[in-house]
Amino acid sequence: DTAVSQTPKYLVTQMGNDKSIKCEQNLGHDTMYWYKQDSKKFLKIMFSYNNKELIINETVPNRFSPKSPDKAHLNLHINSLELGDSAVYFCASTSGSGGPRPYNEQFFGPGTRLTVL
Amino acid sequence: GQNIDQPTEMTATEGAIVQINCTYQTSGFNGLFWYQQHAGEAPTFLSYNVLDGLEEKGRFSSFLSRSKGYSYLLLKELQMKDSASYLCAVTNQAGTALIFGKGTTLSVSS
Repeated sequence: DTAVSQTPKYLVTQMGNDKSIKCEQNLGHDTMYWYKQDSKKFLKIMFSYNNKELIINETVPNRFSPKSPDKAHLNLHINSLELGDSAVYFCASTSGSGGPRPYNEQFFGPGTRLTVL
Repeated sequence: GQNIDQPTEMTATEGAIVQINCTYQTSGFNGLFWYQQHAGEAPTFLSYNVLDGLEEKGRFSSFLSRSKGYSYLLLKELQMKDSASYLCAVTNQAGTALIFGKGTTLSVSS
């Protein structure tokens, strides 16, 4: 009955590799997000999709490419991984197209801890 | 742009009351959120304020003053399980995503 799920939970890989993180929500929400939380616990928005359409693309290297096959899924593909990509990546979703409006709280997935060696 | 400030760390004892402050500067305001995040877990929603005043929800209350760009989260009757990071967030200018502060790590001791 998990609302927002992510796989894998842990990902350890070498520099230069390409990896993907998957996210699925079963809440029927229209908007999904990817956030990055660094070692100092700073949680920062990366991307937002509404009904499979990209609506936010913050200053993120183009090595990061989100893909939304349908509105319940938002995957994150990372090319040529670097040491600085090590972080916890959180997927989140909210109802409505306008983002986190009143009581449209964001629901976060459990996070994927990425370690680049 | 959006800018949020909150203290990095706070400590308190069980049973006490603690107030975590948050100041913000925004281009456009669509509300302020507080989230709780336990170590190794996802953030979970605590409260939302869009009008001035105090919103109470059990042991937790959140206050907002839009004219001062100021909010606080008040935790009463502290319990050990309240040890966590508390994240203050506002929406971005378009209202389409959350911009988080760096979080306040609260340690509750017995």
